[in-house]
Amino acid sequence: AQSVTQLDSHVSVSEGTPVLLRCNYSSSYSPSLFWYVQHPNKGLQLLLKYTSAATLVKGINGFEAEFKKSETSFHLTKPSAHMSDAAEYFCVVVRNFNKFYFGSGTKLNVKP
Amino acid sequence: GAVVSQHPSRVICKSGTSVKIECRSLDFQATTMFWYRQFPKQSLMLMATSNEGSKATYEQGVEKDKFLINHASLTLSTLTVTSAHPEDSSFYICSAEEPGAGETQYFGPGTRLLVL
Repeated sequence: AQSVTQLDSHVSVSEGTPVLLRCNYSSSYSPSLFWYVQHPNKGLQLLLKYTSAATLVKGINGFEAEFKKSETSFHLTKPSAHMSDAAEYFCVVVRNFNKFYFGSGTKLNVKP
Repeated sequence: GAVVSQHPSRVICKSGTSVKIECRSLDFQATTMFWYRQFPKQSLMLMATSNEGSKATYEQGVEKDKFLINHASLTLSTLTVTSAHPEDSSFYICSAEEPGAGETQYFGPGTRLLVL
């Protein structure tokens, strides 16, 4: 069964406009959720994580995500895209204590 | 944040040979490390959990005799792809769990394996 779904494989925005990357999860309890970013030829970098504390989580580089239990969503947002944000973004749900299950990824393209 | 390294970054080998990939946590001790596989244009798939001082636990469908994992110390885990075949060509990524960091995993830069 799919644990985490990233609804968009590609998202394209103009520099300076808002970013929305969608993630929905399936779980019978409130899971831990992460967003990671993968730049070309670089390792995965942690953006932010939700671990049942505040539902609005702030991360690095101006990104934030809101955990909405009623919608089983954990969408990633940023008010103003920068060219350096172009990368692939992965939503991750943690199950079975510490096992990471990755979404299919969303490639973000930022146009000048 | 914590740093995880992998070696080699890329390797090309002939079919039938074995390849060893190292994963090191550079500035923290990791009792648990993980190995993932990423096919082109696809997501990461968890292969196995590597536990220091005990046997690795493999995900369903991953051949433990094909992908040998050894977690020799608190800073080193190795993945050996035995008798590699072209279908084993992939991007292999490791991660390490930092104790006290609340399930956060730090990822290595990955190793690209090409089997000819």
